[in-house]
Amino acid sequence: EAQVTQNPRYLITVTGKKLTVTCSQNMNHEYMSWYRQDPGLGLRQIYYSMNVEVTDKGDVPEGYKVSRKEKRNFPLILESPSPNQTSLYFCASSIPSSNSPLHFGNGTRLTVT
Amino acid sequence: AQSVTQPDIHITVSEGASLELRCNYSYGATPYLFWYVQSPGQGLQLLLKYFSGDTLVQGIKGFEAEFKRSQSSFNLRKPSVHWSDAAEYFCAVGGDFQKLVFGTGTRLLVSP
Repeated sequence: EAQVTQNPRYLITVTGKKLTVTCSQNMNHEYMSWYRQDPGLGLRQIYYSMNVEVTDKGDVPEGYKVSRKEKRNFPLILESPSPNQTSLYFCASSIPSSNSPLHFGNGTRLTVT
Repeated sequence: AQSVTQPDIHITVSEGASLELRCNYSYGATPYLFWYVQSPGQGLQLLLKYFSGDTLVQGIKGFEAEFKRSQSSFNLRKPSVHWSDAAEYFCAVGGDFQKLVFGTGTRLLVSP
């Protein structure tokens, strides 16, 4: 089954404790992206990747890092999480075409205390 | 810069009634337009998309949307709503696919 898998689904952590949210897709998609979803703000793009070893900032990249060492994986790294990063995070992938839909993971709800 | 406005934060519709969710966009050229649905605890699923051709597009689950260039709108419609349609709906616009911009969403409640 074609899917984007995020782990974990839920994560509670404390300020400053480094964490990684994993994302993996089995559709051989070149393009992958991370979004955060906050009430009243919709989805905002954090980082995206056009292919292996090619990443770029989205609209809200501060406080986040990503890497793309393999085509299928695109982890999101929070080196020093802060409470304002409490959010619902989504990973998505697609083929690199403007009319291709994004395939989303089921989300990771992160709480930073 | 491209932007999307979904003016309704919440909408309540009776089961069996018709539905229209509004979406207005700002984009300098002909945009690619999408509607996604998010059920509780789930990721977003594509309902339909427009990128050229017929301005009335059909999607999954009985949804349709009409692209109106003169009004910069891409409203989502369904003739008869089912209780399972209760979810959050997002309109998105892109011309540069790396920078797909989402609206803030409309939460649909379906009353018996």
